[in-house]
Amino acid sequence: AQKITQTQPGMFVQEKEAVTLDCTYDTSDQSYGLFWYKQPSSGEMIFLIYQGSYDEQNATEGRYSLNFQKARKSANLVISASQLGDSAMYFCAMREATNAGGTSYGKLTFGQGTILTVHP
Amino acid sequence: NAGVTQTPKFRILKIGQSMTLQCTQDMNHNYMYWYRQDPGMGLKLIYYSVGAGITDKGEVPNGYNVSRSTTEDFPLRLELAAPSQTSVYFCASSLVRSGELFFGEGSRLTVL
Repeated sequence: AQKITQTQPGMFVQEKEAVTLDCTYDTSDQSYGLFWYKQPSSGEMIFLIYQGSYDEQNATEGRYSLNFQKARKSANLVISASQLGDSAMYFCAMREATNAGGTSYGKLTFGQGTILTVHP
Repeated sequence: NAGVTQTPKFRILKIGQSMTLQCTQDMNHNYMYWYRQDPGMGLKLIYYSVGAGITDKGEVPNGYNVSRSTTEDFPLRLELAAPSQTSVYFCASSLVRSGELFFGEGSRLTVL
């Protein structure tokens, strides 16, 4: 079973509007972390936001917020006031506390990504 | 701060050749990782290390080897390159097990 599922291969948004990128995850751990990374066309991986499974508040970082719904196992990224520079691939990733054989040692499992295109 | 540095950025190999992708970080991070990213896909873990002298396999280790003789360096060795190893390779590091991963800029490898 997929641990991280991003069901939107591509999304389009008008400049200055908000957009939500979906991410669902599968884990039996109680302690885990969820990450979002941005990958522009230049290829580098840029960390955007982090949510811990025990965090009671949704994480926010500037224009980025994470809509964390633990019971539904979803961790959607919300980008407010989209900018042309937001056009990129976006990856959701999860770190579990443990996996088969012991600790995860910080390994991230990535989803397939969503390509976001911002139109002027 | 240089962060995580990978070399080379681009390389073309012939089938059966070998090469080493270099990765070095100057942040004194204990945890280091190698991922590969195939076109249009997410990243898959090849190998990881939790400290000098300690390495372990990730999800897709076949055809690769690693070593970790120092905290700073984590080279990835490709033996007998195959077209299936055509990919973009990312090295990453983190200070602690729960911290964010800092990525290098990636190394694009083509095997013909």
